[in-house]
Amino acid sequence: NAGVTQTPKFRVLKTGQSMTLLCAQDMNHEYMYWYRQDPGMGLRLIHYSVGEGTTAKGEVPDGYNVSRLKKQNFLLGLESAAPSQTSVYFCASSYSISGSFGNEQFFGPGTRLTVL
Amino acid sequence: RKEVEQDPGPFNVPEGATVAFNCTYSNSASQSFFWYRQDCRKEPKLLMSVYSSGNEDGRFTAQLNRASQYISLLIRDSKLSDSATYLCVVNIPKDSSYKLIFGSGTRLLVRP
Repeated sequence: NAGVTQTPKFRVLKTGQSMTLLCAQDMNHEYMYWYRQDPGMGLRLIHYSVGEGTTAKGEVPDGYNVSRLKKQNFLLGLESAAPSQTSVYFCASSYSISGSFGNEQFFGPGTRLTVL
Repeated sequence: RKEVEQDPGPFNVPEGATVAFNCTYSNSASQSFFWYRQDCRKEPKLLMSVYSSGNEDGRFTAQLNRASQYISLLIRDSKLSDSATYLCVVNIPKDSSYKLIFGSGTRLLVRP
């Protein structure tokens, strides 16, 4: 049971390049999320998905796109990378999205992205 | 005002000390609360959920004060391995659903 995995772990891009970050979970969770974490700031939600084939915008979606073609996978794409997208990206998944407990999120190990 | 606020620290304490962190939240409709732990250059991991009546897990005690809108985390008998950043997480209603809002974290350093 690997939990949540992310690839790649590290990446350096030049401005304008594109890339895709892959997130996979084996817990059969319906809900998946992409966050970015910058120094001195909390985790900020980029996009999320409430099920296979669905995606929704989070707090900071500009410059990113996502896809959820399979329940276990959630992809984050950067079409034209900018230095402002230098960050650590975390994927997470949860069993529910309710107001009560059961919506604890489980995180992947992160991807450190640098855009030059 | 931020939805979730934490003192960034660092809290620098000797081994064996008791240390407490508070976290305030702005949305009175918040439903559930958590403390996550994040080690340097690692992912956040759930430390404990915070129940209305307060709850304890070994050396860790979490409490909720709805009237004053804050949650707290108490760590007794601090260990070197407790050194980490502790994230306060609040579940708030948003757009007919719920969202987890993460605080920026409080850094704890436990020294020998």
